[in-house]
Formats: sequence, C-alpha cells, structure tokens
Amino acid sequence: GDSVTQMEGPVTLSEEAFLTINCTYTATGYPSLFWYVQYPGEGLQLLLKATKADDKGSNKGFEATYRKETTSFHLEKGSVQVSDSAVYFCALSEPWGAQKLVFGQGTRLTINP
Amino acid sequence: DVKVTQSSRYLVKRTGEKVFLECVQDMDHENMFWYRQDPGLGLRLIYFSYDVKMKEKGDIPEGYSVSREKKERFSLILESASTNQTSMYLCASSVTGGAATEAFFGQGTRLTVV
Repeated sequence: GDSVTQMEGPVTLSEEAFLTINCTYTATGYPSLFWYVQYPGEGLQLLLKATKADDKGSNKGFEATYRKETTSFHLEKGSVQVSDSAVYFCALSEPWGAQKLVFGQGTRLTINP
Repeated sequence: DVKVTQSSRYLVKRTGEKVFLECVQDMDHENMFWYRQDPGLGLRLIYFSYDVKMKEKGDIPEGYSVSREKKERFSLILESASTNQTSMYLCASSVTGGAATEAFFGQGTRLTVV
C-alpha cells in the first residue's frame, strides 16, 4: 500500500537557520502531496500542497517541490523563526474517492532564539 | 470560519468501559475521518465515512466502531477500552471532488485508559 517516510526528529535549529525536512513516498498511482503542521495544543492544519510532478507548493515562507523521479517532497524554509516550532507531517492522498490521507511519522521542530 | 469540534479535549476511562468520542463539523463536508496519533507513528486511519450511514475501515480498525447518522456528526466507539488504546484521537473532514482537497482537523481528544 501507499506509504510516507519522513526524516526522524526531533530537529533543533537556531533562529534564521535554513530548514530542510526530508519526505519520500511510495504510491501506486499519482498522488497529491501535502505538508501539515501541528502547533502545540492544536489539531493539524494544511501548510502547503502539490498535485502533480514539478509543482511547487508554498506558504508562510515554506516550500516543497513534487519530485516524481525521486518520489520526494522535501520541506524547506530559508530562515526559520521561533514561531515555526511545531510538528510537521508529510502526507499523500490518491486523487479519487474520499482522498484519505496517509501520513509520515511527523518531525518535531524546535527553533531556539 | 470552518470548524471541526471534538467533544472532549481530555478523557480518562477504565479498562473495559465503552467509550464514545464525538466529532461535529459545520462545513457540510461529505467525508469524515478518525485518526489516532502516537509518537513515532504519525497519524493512522481508524475509520472513515464518505456519506451518511456509510463507513469504511482504515488501517487499524480493530477494537473500534463508528457511527454516522447525520452528515455533520461522526462518532468513534471503543467497544471495550483497553490500555493500548491510550492515545490522541483526531477527527477530520473534507469535501469530495477536486484535486488535493484539504482536510480540516479538530483539536484532538487525548484518551487515557487506566
């Protein structure tokens, strides 16, 4: 079945550092790819998404590019802030039916001032 | 503002109890989902529903059942709670159709079974 693997955490960075969180996937079809973020004490919320190869999703300074050749969707941000501290989940869904999400393990990010 | 509301933030139940977790969405979404979240395992799908009275098993349905009598409400039932069901439970909803539809999540219910 479909699966998502993302880099192990936790990740700790200093403010203004460059961030990369790796994500790779296995899917039988042509899935849509997502990054969701969970701030402390809250549910998940969509950060960005991409629907086809070479699409770039972006939001709040974060970016990720759908790479079909490497089955990857790595999350990047050029300069992180303390407010980016959260748990980040990579996910995929097949583009039909209920489009249920398959999630990676989550990566806890802590940004120190 | 879109909203998915879970009835409790924290619950403590005893082993063997029947437990009901309630979820309500106000967006007229067709699809609703129950996930459990455990450290190092991410979110795993328990059950989902794509219409009223319709349900399908997810990846880890054992020990759970669900009910969807009205479009806006999706209930997760632990028939006989066990300690290995101690977890964070997240409800979500989404609309049918289009590519990469966004799922909206509730704040979660942290269930402890003692």
